[in-house]
Amino acid sequence: KQEVTQIPAALSVPEGENLVLNCSFTDSAIYNLQWFRQDPGKGLTSLLLIQSSQREQTSGRLNASLDKSSGRSTLYIAASQPGDSATYLCAGGADRGSTLGRLYFGRGTQLTVWP
Amino acid sequence: DVKVTQSSRYLVKRTGEKVFLECVQDMDHENMFWYRQDPGLGLRLIYFSYDVKMKEKGDIPEGYSVSREKKERFSLILESASTNQTSMYLCASSSGGASSGNTIYFGEGSWLTVV
Repeated sequence: KQEVTQIPAALSVPEGENLVLNCSFTDSAIYNLQWFRQDPGKGLTSLLLIQSSQREQTSGRLNASLDKSSGRSTLYIAASQPGDSATYLCAGGADRGSTLGRLYFGRGTQLTVWP
Repeated sequence: DVKVTQSSRYLVKRTGEKVFLECVQDMDHENMFWYRQDPGLGLRLIYFSYDVKMKEKGDIPEGYSVSREKKERFSLILESASTNQTSMYLCASSSGGASSGNTIYFGEGSWLTVV
C-alpha cells in the first residue's frame, strides 16, 4: 500500500523567507501529484496538479516539482507571507489499471509565517 | 467555480443513531469521494463512487455505507453511530479519474461529534 511522508511536519518562519516542503512516496509509481492547502476547520483547496507527463508546475509564488524515479515531490514557496499560513498536503494518484485512480495523502506540513 | 457542498457543517449525534451526511456537486463530475480526517492520521478514504449507483470501498468502510442515486449527490450513512466515528468528514469530486490528471475538489467538511 502506498505510504506518503511529508517533511517537515511543522514549520514556523518569518515573513519573506523562501520555503521548501517535501513529500515522498513508498511506491514511486506515481501517476500524478497534487498539492493542497487546508485552512483550520476547512476543506482542502487544490494548489497545483502535476500530471504524469510533467515534471513541475508553477502558480504565482508556488512551484511544485515531481521526480517520479525517486517518488519525491517538492513544493517551493517564494517570499512567504502571513497569509500562507495553513497546512499543506500532497497527494499522489497511482494508476494500477483502475479507471478511477485513487489519491493517497500525506499528513501535511503545518506552516506558520509570522510578520 | 466548482462547488462541492456539504449540507451540515456541525452535527452532534448520540451513540446508536443513524446519521446521514449529504454532499452535492454542481460540475457534473463522475467521481465522488468521502474521506475522514483525524489528527495524526491524515485523510482516509471511506468510500468512493465513479458513477450513479456505483460504489467502491476505500480503506476504512466499516461502519459506513453510501448512496448515489443521482450523479450530483453522494450520501454517507453511519448505520449506528459510535464515539470512534467522531471526526471531520470531507466530501470531494472530480471529473474522470485522478489518474487522468483531473483536479479533485473538496467540500468545506462536516464536523461530527458522537456522544
